[in-house]
Amino acid sequence: KAGVTQTPRYLIKTRGQQVTLSCSPISGHRSVSWYQQTPGQGLQFLFEYFSETQRNKGNFPGRFSGRQFSNSRSEMNVSTLELGDSALYLCASNPGGIGEKLFFGSGTQLSVL
Amino acid sequence: AQRVTQPEKLLSVFKGAPVELKCNYSYSGSPELFWYVQYSRQRLQLLLRHISRESIKGFTADLNKGETSFHLKKPFAQEEDSAMYYCALRESSGDKLTFGTGTRLAVRP
Repeated sequence: KAGVTQTPRYLIKTRGQQVTLSCSPISGHRSVSWYQQTPGQGLQFLFEYFSETQRNKGNFPGRFSGRQFSNSRSEMNVSTLELGDSALYLCASNPGGIGEKLFFGSGTQLSVL
Repeated sequence: AQRVTQPEKLLSVFKGAPVELKCNYSYSGSPELFWYVQYSRQRLQLLLRHISRESIKGFTADLNKGETSFHLKKPFAQEEDSAMYYCALRESSGDKLTFGTGTRLAVRP
């Protein structure tokens, strides 16, 4: 089985722009979670989707949003980018049951200039 | 609010020495604890979880609710154990993981 795939691998944006990141889970996995990883804050939970519904949300401003499609693929969007949004954004999938093992992607490295 | 603390940013040991990576948590409910590992140029992956009570690659971790700890231990470190280790807590209400800031383990020959 192919692993979790995240695109693009790298992104460079300027302040004020918006960005969309994509995540394709492992085939058959119905839950997708997103995490932000920075050197200062470490890994922080953004949100989790299951069957196209947001099941959990972290403590991020409304500029951060996401969605999940019927094929379980997920996108996250960040609007009005700020310098502090520069981070590695990780996506993880699991079959869908609560507490199941997470399988992580390689991440999208976002740089905001 | 839940919190996971890994007090050591870096732990350096010689090959064959015992290893203990510390993890403490604060959570009012019944937590589920995990250890995730990231080897150089690889993805973050699950190492072990407390409910499984298993040993993976020689590592074990016991949940101590009295001390609110979930330390990761291995009796004899190997060079291939060098990696970044993250302790994580899952709340009982959902699938959100709260991660510690990680400990880099360096095993010297």
